[in-house]
Amino acid sequence: GESVGLHLPTLSVQEGDNSIINCAYSNSASDYFIWYKQESGKGPQFIIDIRSNMDKRQGQRVTVLLNKTVKHLSLQIAATQPGDSAVYFCAEITYNQGGKLIFGQGTELSVKP
Amino acid sequence: DGGITQSPKYLFRKEGQNVTLSCEQNLNHDAMYWYRQDPGQGLRLIYYSQIVNDFQKGDIAEGYSVSREKKESFPLTVTSAQKNPTAFYLCASSLGTSGYNEQFFGPGTRLTVL
Repeated sequence: GESVGLHLPTLSVQEGDNSIINCAYSNSASDYFIWYKQESGKGPQFIIDIRSNMDKRQGQRVTVLLNKTVKHLSLQIAATQPGDSAVYFCAEITYNQGGKLIFGQGTELSVKP
Repeated sequence: DGGITQSPKYLFRKEGQNVTLSCEQNLNHDAMYWYRQDPGQGLRLIYYSQIVNDFQKGDIAEGYSVSREKKESFPLTVTSAQKNPTAFYLCASSLGTSGYNEQFFGPGTRLTVL
């Protein structure tokens, strides 16, 4: 069936380095992709999204890249800080499925000072 | 403050009991959602509601029930029919479900079955 998954379950980086979190998706009909950050014991927080007709979108210290050819999504965090430590989820939405989010498993990002 | 709230933060249930988790939003959102999250896993959709007095099953609705009598409220009941209810439950809301509308999440309720 259709699914969204992540390549790496854990990622450890040094403070100040750039982080790259990857996500593979299988539904070529998905219309939107979203990255969420979830800190321990809290609900997910929206980070950035990208429409399926875009390849790249930048936010503050974050960039999302979408490669539809290989069905790959990535989140780049520049100058990673200890406060970035969390679990990051990608999610997809297909418009004709009532706005339901399909979440991937998640990647835990650990930032070493 | 505008936002979405869930209560209680922690909930303990004995086997065979039904429990109800509260979700309230003052964002004037039409759509509300309930997700379940197991350790190390992503979120899975239990139920969602696009409008008052209407709701649809998500991917894992068995053993759960919901109601949507008011726009602001979308309580979730975990029934005794749910075989493995221990999990972190998250409620979300969005303006609507047509096209893409950002979902805003509550802080979650952690349910433990004793």
